[in-house]
Amino acid sequence: AQSVTQLGSHVSVSEGALVLLRCNYSSSVPPYLFWYVQYPNQGLQLLLKYTTGATLVKGINGFEAEFKKSETSFHLTKPSAHMSDAAEYFCAVSDSGAGSYQLTFGKGTKLSVIP
Amino acid sequence: SAVISQKPSRDICQRGTSLTIQCQVDSQVTMMFWYRQQPGQSLTLIATANQGSEATYESGFVIDKFPISRPNLTFSTLTVSNMSPEDSSIYLCSASWGAKETQYFGPGTRLLVL
Repeated sequence: AQSVTQLGSHVSVSEGALVLLRCNYSSSVPPYLFWYVQYPNQGLQLLLKYTTGATLVKGINGFEAEFKKSETSFHLTKPSAHMSDAAEYFCAVSDSGAGSYQLTFGKGTKLSVIP
Repeated sequence: SAVISQKPSRDICQRGTSLTIQCQVDSQVTMMFWYRQQPGQSLTLIATANQGSEATYESGFVIDKFPISRPNLTFSTLTVSNMSPEDSSIYLCSASWGAKETQYFGPGTRLLVL
């Protein structure tokens, strides 16, 4: 069974500061890893994903994440926060070997950006 | 990526009634899923909507409560039956195509049961 842990249900950063949202996963097989963003009253938008290959993946809106197998982590970063980044961020994992492609989500981290 | 739409976007319903939520994708997809997001919570998979056959439900979800149809490769419905206030949630459909591991989500249906 897979699981996802997002450290910090709420993170506040100043505009222009580094954004770091933490995600650790557990999976018995090589995982597929995702970050989604949910703006207020909207659905989920895919930010970025890791499936195979390069462990540093770049996504939309200047976000990137690095897959670290030894640390079972997939932390999301952005060098400089913008007011428009304020939203809830979900890390998710699926099992590359199961063939079911079901996503298991973390509990989410709400990002606030302080002007 | 394709556009995924849901109807209705929100509804307020009385307990004991049922609501059918529609999910439409503007291109043929491989897989479709339904999720529930309870207030302040993360997403939980309800079921995988299988085209032309019965949906595959996750533990804790049953067909009598959440009947699902998927008559073709671009459309699915989720019915929330005999609703109670505990069913107040956001219901989201998602779809994948090509690279099956990547799911794209609809805008969600916000349901309030009184």
